[in-house]
Amino acid sequence: GAVVSQHPSWVICKSGTSVKIECRSLDFQATTMFWYRQFPKQSLMLMATSNEGSKATYEQGVEKDKFLINHASLTLSTLTVTSAHPEDSSFYICSAKTGARVIYEQYFGPGTRLTVT
Amino acid sequence: GIQVEQSPPDLILQEGANSTLRCNFSDSVNNLQWFHQNPWGQLINLFYIPSGTKQNGRLSATTVATERYSLLYISSSQTTDSGVYFCAGATDSWGKLQFGAGTQVVVTP
Repeated sequence: GAVVSQHPSWVICKSGTSVKIECRSLDFQATTMFWYRQFPKQSLMLMATSNEGSKATYEQGVEKDKFLINHASLTLSTLTVTSAHPEDSSFYICSAKTGARVIYEQYFGPGTRLTVT
Repeated sequence: GIQVEQSPPDLILQEGANSTLRCNFSDSVNNLQWFHQNPWGQLINLFYIPSGTKQNGRLSATTVATERYSLLYISSSQTTDSGVYFCAGATDSWGKLQFGAGTQVVVTP
């Protein structure tokens, strides 16, 4: 149990276009989902926290107008990178857990590798 | 936010050897998890261990919450244990995880 999927696994897009990444919890209801990004040889950095039916909260330094997050259902959150630029190229990973303000184990998706040319 | 320090940063092991990875936190955490990131980038959950000791096969983990550290033990290492090991902790009620820099483990045959 506790499987999280992401789609697509990898995407190449041209500078100035937008890219949408989906994160789904396959066998549990994910009240809360998190989005991280990871640069090569570095650790994961939290970008934002999203709760079903409410606006995402973004970490300091993350542009909310650039990284649009929608958590429309208990099993789906989407991250849209708008007007992508080469510096947005990175590995994006989502995680999910049940419960909002409760401390539960998080489960991670396999990640999406974004390359902006 | 909290600071998470992992040591050592790199570890080279011969197959069959045992090792200990450490994670120190600058503040008390209410959630602590250990992960193994495989070569394709997938984070595999190893332990959810805010306190106490757990074992799963050749892996075990101990968290001493009062002293703000956690240890991951790998026994009889195998080449498939290679990869990056991360610990992460949370201090807020949402459970937002702060990751350490990771330990790169290479197990040689």
